[in-house]
Amino acid sequence: GENVEQHPSTLSVQEGDSAVIKCTYSDSASNYFPWYKQELGKRPQLIIDIRSNVGEKKDQRIAVTLNKTAKHFSLHITETQPEDSAVYFCAASSGNLIFGKGTKLSVKP
Amino acid sequence: DAGVIQSPRHEVTEMGQEVTLRCKPISGHNSLFWYRQTMMRGLELLIYFNNNVPIDDSGMPEDRFSAKMPNASFSTLKIQPSEPRDSAVYFCASSLGLASWNSPLHFGNGTRLTVT
Repeated sequence: GENVEQHPSTLSVQEGDSAVIKCTYSDSASNYFPWYKQELGKRPQLIIDIRSNVGEKKDQRIAVTLNKTAKHFSLHITETQPEDSAVYFCAASSGNLIFGKGTKLSVKP
Repeated sequence: DAGVIQSPRHEVTEMGQEVTLRCKPISGHNSLFWYRQTMMRGLELLIYFNNNVPIDDSGMPEDRFSAKMPNASFSTLKIQPSEPRDSAVYFCASSLGLASWNSPLHFGNGTRLTVT
């Protein structure tokens, strides 16, 4: 089955800096790669996603890139703000969604 | 749209007791997923249904866990007997079809289970 690895497990940045989170997946049949943000005590919420026939997608300060050949994808957050502090999960799907173990992002004011 | 509704929000029980977690998916969604979240293991997929039929239950940890979806608007996850290591947050999620770019997953607020 699918296996998703996510790095780093924790990330601390200064407000205004960029943050990058990287994931790899194992199943070449996976064709959908969403990213979820989970604030403390709350449910995961979708922030951006990308499908396998697209290499990059951007939405304001967040962007995702996908390299299907290498089976890795990344989340980029620019101009980070304290409210970006949360746990971020990557996931890969060929019908069922398998998550990475999460990255705890802390943005220091 | 009320979103995915889970109950109870919190459950505290003693080891050996039966626990039943409930989920109502978003109306019209055909796929339903149960996840377990712990610090050590992250978000683990336990089982998912499509059109009320279990598709993959390979993530169910052991026979003490069972899940049902008797109709399109209701699912249960049962643990019998419960053990302290079952303590976790259990999330239910639903999507229009199987998880894909035009069918993203929507999560409920979760049930925090504590087994003492």
